[in-house]
Amino acid sequence: DTGVSQNPRHKITKRGQNVTFRCDPISEHNRLYWYRQTLGQGPEFLTYFQNEAQLEKSRLLSDRFSAERPKGSFSTLEIQRTEQGDSAMYLCASSTGLRTDTQYFGPGTRLTVL
Amino acid sequence: AQSVAQPEDQVNVAEGNPLTVKCTYSVSGNPYLFWYVQYPNRGLQFLLKYITGDNLVKGSYGFEAEFNKSQTSFHLKKPSALVSDSALYFCARDAGNNRKLIWGLGTSLAVNP
Repeated sequence: DTGVSQNPRHKITKRGQNVTFRCDPISEHNRLYWYRQTLGQGPEFLTYFQNEAQLEKSRLLSDRFSAERPKGSFSTLEIQRTEQGDSAMYLCASSTGLRTDTQYFGPGTRLTVL
Repeated sequence: AQSVAQPEDQVNVAEGNPLTVKCTYSVSGNPYLFWYVQYPNRGLQFLLKYITGDNLVKGSYGFEAEFNKSQTSFHLKKPSALVSDSALYFCARDAGNNRKLIWGLGTSLAVNP
């Protein structure tokens, strides 16, 4: 399978705990994006990387959120001190970086904060 | 600000009938426009995109979309709906330089047998 993969697919945690999600993009895709989607809403942009550089962060990404892409391949999204409002589907996408290119999405990680 | 609107929360259509899911976009530059489909508890699957050229774009699973600059619309269409087309459909536009996608709220399509 050469698509975008995300792990875990589901995560249930208690409020105040830290969680980390992983995204493996399509091989050789330079750009990697994180979005968040809540029920009844479209995805909301969180951040994106060009290779290992984080080029843009949304104001939605509070100080409790951090994302990395240390070697320009996979990426991790960490949420510290989770809150119930963090419950959502976290989506990862990748593309070649050309403006005309398509973003291809992974299956998402569904986070539930109790 | 750049935005995308999907004016219908839900569309119902009988199997075999043509379907249309509507999308309008804010006028800002030359937008690149996309349609994605989402099945329950799944990620987003790319259907088609408009970059430039022919206003009628053909995509996956028999879907097509028509770019209309004067009406700032990019409606998704299919000549004959299938029950398996029932899903959540999202329209999106790029924010320039492929930095991110800006999304509509989605339209739930229900195809009735």
